[in-house]
Amino acid sequence: DQQVKQNSPSLSVQEGRISILNCDYTNSMFDYFLWYKKYPAEGPTFLISISSIKDKNEDGRFTVFLNKSAKHLSLHIVPSQPGDSAVYFCAASSPNYKLSFGAGTTVTVRA
Amino acid sequence: NAGVTQTPKFRVLKTGQSMTLLCAQDMNHEYMYWYRQDPGMGLRLIHYSVGEGTTAKGEVPDGYNVSRLKKQNFLLGLESAAPSQTSVYFCASSYLQPQNTEAFFGQGTRLTVV
Repeated sequence: DQQVKQNSPSLSVQEGRISILNCDYTNSMFDYFLWYKKYPAEGPTFLISISSIKDKNEDGRFTVFLNKSAKHLSLHIVPSQPGDSAVYFCAASSPNYKLSFGAGTTVTVRA
Repeated sequence: NAGVTQTPKFRVLKTGQSMTLLCAQDMNHEYMYWYRQDPGMGLRLIHYSVGEGTTAKGEVPDGYNVSRLKKQNFLLGLESAAPSQTSVYFCASSYLQPQNTEAFFGQGTRLTVV
């Protein structure tokens, strides 16, 4: 039973516009949430994280929003660039050191 | 900087054969993990280790064994490979618990079991 769900397998956005990726989770014990980015034939790389005690974290073009009551988080990329085309994984961490990942969303940025 | 290195990068096995995947990290990280990635399933944790000499089961441990005899190495073994173990395997490591520090991933091992 997947505890972290990314219900949109793909997203296409025009260069310069906003990309919004969504993630839902079921385990209320998760205390940190992370986003990883993955290019083909490479391992995932860390993008941004947020603690469960916060509702927003921003790093340059990337902002993550957390809504604990809805068990929902989102990643906003503004403005979207061609190099942002990749698979994005939402991940959640529980106090027993485990990272649980969603199925991923493939983002394509169109020129 | 090598970071996390996985060996081999590709492998084809026959059903019933055994093999060991090697993960090596040069960042002196305490925590190491093995994940498998399957289409539509994301990354699922197989086994993990919180320090040299320790291992623990993740979400999908059946059919796999691991060892962490040295801090820098984390080995994943398949004793009798099955077609259901066809997947891309990723090793990762982190200095602290992965929630407040990033985990570094290797490039992956693509395993096909025929």
